[in-house]
Amino acid sequence: DTEVTQTPKHLVMGMTNKKSLKCEQHMGHRAMYWYKQKAKKPPELMFVYSYEKLSINESVPSRFSPECPNSSLLNLHLHALQPEDSALYLCASSQHSNEQFFGPGTRLTVL
Amino acid sequence: AQSVTQLGSHVSVSEGALVLLRCNYSSSVPPYLFWYVQYPNQGLQLLLKYTSAATLVKGINGFEAEFKKSETSFHLTKPSAHMSDAAEYFCAVRGFRQPNSGGSNYKLTFGKGTLLTVNP
Repeated sequence: DTEVTQTPKHLVMGMTNKKSLKCEQHMGHRAMYWYKQKAKKPPELMFVYSYEKLSINESVPSRFSPECPNSSLLNLHLHALQPEDSALYLCASSQHSNEQFFGPGTRLTVL
Repeated sequence: AQSVTQLGSHVSVSEGALVLLRCNYSSSVPPYLFWYVQYPNQGLQLLLKYTSAATLVKGINGFEAEFKKSETSFHLTKPSAHMSDAAEYFCAVRGFRQPNSGGSNYKLTFGKGTLLTVNP
């Protein structure tokens, strides 16, 4: 299985809502990533987990809260988001020096 | 610090014509370089990677890239464009190993992307 899956595909939420994005991989990769991508821009790194521990937080606002319950699963908890947080959220995984495998993304719209 | 520059935010070619997407890199160490493709409303898919082995790298869908150290370039080519090649293409360079990561993760620095359109 060489796939990274993400759910949901689309999410619409109000600014007072709490929601979560989910990412899963079964390739045995020990590094997992969250990226944010705005239209016509490259992905921007948000968080990196390595061996289920947070390795990098790129100064992301606290309204985004990552969680890595186990080596296959990565969540991104969302609370009190702003309309400018609307974007495509991508998950990726990698092992050692190899390339990052990306999921299909969750299209988030904040009203 | 590592960086990549993609020359041309938009490239337009006719079906059957040569595709050339340009990428130049800056790196203080021998780089690991990648080309990713992104179709509309999808994630990124790896086309090919350079990891200091052969300088001419063949990827999926008929794409290839040549690493030229003297020119600090890693341009992506395909001899004959197909309508299905229309997409956004990103060049990326791998950063340094993150401390306390057990060697399992690296940052990727992406170029700004090149949108390829293919005309019938």
